[in-house]
Amino acid sequence: SQKIEQNSEALNIQEGKTATLTCNYTNYSPAYLQWYRQDPGRGPVFLLLIRENEKEKRKERLKVTFDTTLKQSLFHITASQPADSATYLCALVDSGYALNFGKGTSLLVTP
Amino acid sequence: DGGITQSPKYLFRKEGQNVTLSCEQNLNHDAMYWYRQDPGQGLRLIYYSQIVNDFQKGDIAEGYSVSREKKESFPLTVTSAQKNPTAFYLCASTGYTEKLFFGSGTQLSVL
Repeated sequence: SQKIEQNSEALNIQEGKTATLTCNYTNYSPAYLQWYRQDPGRGPVFLLLIRENEKEKRKERLKVTFDTTLKQSLFHITASQPADSATYLCALVDSGYALNFGKGTSLLVTP
Repeated sequence: DGGITQSPKYLFRKEGQNVTLSCEQNLNHDAMYWYRQDPGQGLRLIYYSQIVNDFQKGDIAEGYSVSREKKESFPLTVTSAQKNPTAFYLCASTGYTEKLFFGSGTQLSVL
């Protein structure tokens, strides 16, 4: 069966450090992978999309890598700030063109 | 402002009652989706629609029904057959850019 796995344990880091979140998947052949941010009681907000032929993508303090051999994506937030505290979701499209989400990793950035 | 509007924000269901969650978008998107989120869990796909008058079941469609009579609207009915309906329900839409735009969600609880 298809699976998207993200660290279930919350990630606590100090302000200014780099946060690295992991997304592993099985039984997908994704043309692309997406990352979303979700705040409590709110809908997810799109952050980045990376395609299978792209190794790395950057947007401001965010960086995403995509290794289709390892079936893994890494999501980095550099110079983290308390405002970055949220849950981050990884998402992949299935064969029916619907987007499936991982359970998300909660990030807490402390001053 | 363009976006997705979900209503109501909070909804209470009595046992044996059907309830309908509203989702309207003015983004001119073809595809619309309904997800369910339980506390500490990821998003699970209930139903999705790629085009008007057509929709497909997601992973957890049992106990739910949808219609797509207009491009802008994709209401979700939680029927009495859904025995554990308490959850946060999220509606989303997408156009040609692949990223999902989410509404602000409806919290459904059972009285």
